[in-house]
Amino acid sequence: RKEVEQDPGPFNVPEGATVAFNCTYSNSASQSFFWYRQDCRKEPKLLMSVYSSGNEDGRFTAQLNRASQYISLLIRDSKLSDSATYLCAHRGKFQFGAGTQVVVTP
Amino acid sequence: DADVTQTPRNRITKTGKRIMLECSQTKGHDRMYWYRQDPGLGLRLIYYSFDVKDINKGEISDGYSVSRQAQAKFSLSLESAIPNQTALYFCAVGQSSSYEQYFGPGTRLTVT
Repeated sequence: RKEVEQDPGPFNVPEGATVAFNCTYSNSASQSFFWYRQDCRKEPKLLMSVYSSGNEDGRFTAQLNRASQYISLLIRDSKLSDSATYLCAHRGKFQFGAGTQVVVTP
Repeated sequence: DADVTQTPRNRITKTGKRIMLECSQTKGHDRMYWYRQDPGLGLRLIYYSFDVKDINKGEISDGYSVSRQAQAKFSLSLESAIPNQTALYFCAVGQSSSYEQYFGPGTRLTVT
C-alpha cells in the first residue's frame, strides 16, 4: 500500500466557490506533510507545509487529522488559476501521492 | 526559487542505449533527489543524496545509477534504456534543515 493516497479527481469547481480534498496516509506516526501544486507537464511547486496545528496561507487552508489519518486542503474563492494537480507528500519519507486534479470553471 | 536546471529537457533514445540526465543547482542546497513521474503513479523516488559522499537508493532504483560529482551536480544514468523507462524525470533539491523540495523543470524521456 502506498504511504499516501489521493483521489485523482477531477474536482470541478465554479469560479469563486470553495473546494476541499483529502490525502490519506498509512503511517499513524506521521506528523507532517507538504502540499505541492503541479501545472500540466510542469514541475511541482511547494504550496504549503502541514503540521498538527494546521496551516493557512491566504485562500488556502491545510489541516492534519491524525485520528483519521488524512490531511486536507481547502481552497476558498477559487480562481481559474487554481486549476492544477495538487500533490500531497510525506515530510521526511519523500513519498508523494499521485495527485488530485482541480478544474476551476468560469 | 532554487535555480535548478536539468539537461536535456527532452530526449528520445533507443532501447539498449546508455543515457545520462544531468541536474545542477546554484543555491548551495546540500540534498539532491531524482524522481520519475508516470501517469496515475505520481512521483517515485529513484535515488537521493544528502551530500557529495552520500548516495541512497530510493523506491525504484533498479536500472538506474547516479553520480554526485559536486554539491551542485547530480546525474542520473540509464545504463541500458528500456521502453518502460519512458517517463518524466525530475531533479529536486533541498536543505537538511527542512524537508522542503524544489524541483527542476523536468526531462521528458522516451525510449523506443
